Amino acid sequence: ETGVTQSPTHLIKTRGQQVTLRCSSQSGHNTVSWYQQALGQGPQFIFQYYREEENGRGNFPPRFSGLQFPNYSSELNVNALELDDSALYLCASSLKEQGSDGELFFGEGSRLTVL
Amino acid sequence: QQQVKQSPQSLIVQKGGISIINCAYENTAFDYFPWYQQFPGKGPALLIAIRPDVSEKKEGRFTISFNKSAKQFSLHIMDSQPGDSATYFCAAKRNNFNKFYFGSGTKLNVKP
Repeated sequence: ETGVTQSPTHLIKTRGQQVTLRCSSQSGHNTVSWYQQALGQGPQFIFQYYREEENGRGNFPPRFSGLQFPNYSSELNVNALELDDSALYLCASSLKEQGSDGELFFGEGSRLTVL
Repeated sequence: QQQVKQSPQSLIVQKGGISIINCAYENTAFDYFPWYQQFPGKGPALLIAIRPDVSEKKEGRFTISFNKSAKQFSLHIMDSQPGDSATYFCAAKRNNFNKFYFGSGTKLNVKP
């Protein structure tokens, strides 16, 4: 059973650029959630994808967007990068059954630095 | 408004001692309270979780104590080991809602 994998592990961008982060969910999981973890802070919910549609969103602006693919993998896109977007971006997969969310299994994250 | 407040921010414990981390929550609709362990360079990993129908849950050296009336829950690590040195996060979630609210984390250092 493969776990959650994320790519790239580290990247550096400049303000105003766009970034795409990728996530492969754990085998058997149908739901992907994205969290932003600023240095020294707890993860903050960005959004969740289920059945290829956004299924809930946290307090993040529209320049944060995502996709989920038929194989349940996912992308997080951030446009017009700002310095405050520098953070560890965590992908977590879970199995949603009968409307109830299962446990979150996190990947190791993508460390984004915006200069 | 921070939904889950965690303390202390950092904790130093001697090997063999008891580590205690506390969390308080606001929303009485929360019904699932997990604790996550995060090592440097890794994602958080589920350690232990509790639902409010019980006041305590124990798994090995890890125990969650839950006080529904006070809206507080805590993690106790018995016989703390240097390998337990990590950052611990409490979290909370409402049933059928997909968003986990995390505390700000506690960095635990267990001295040999």
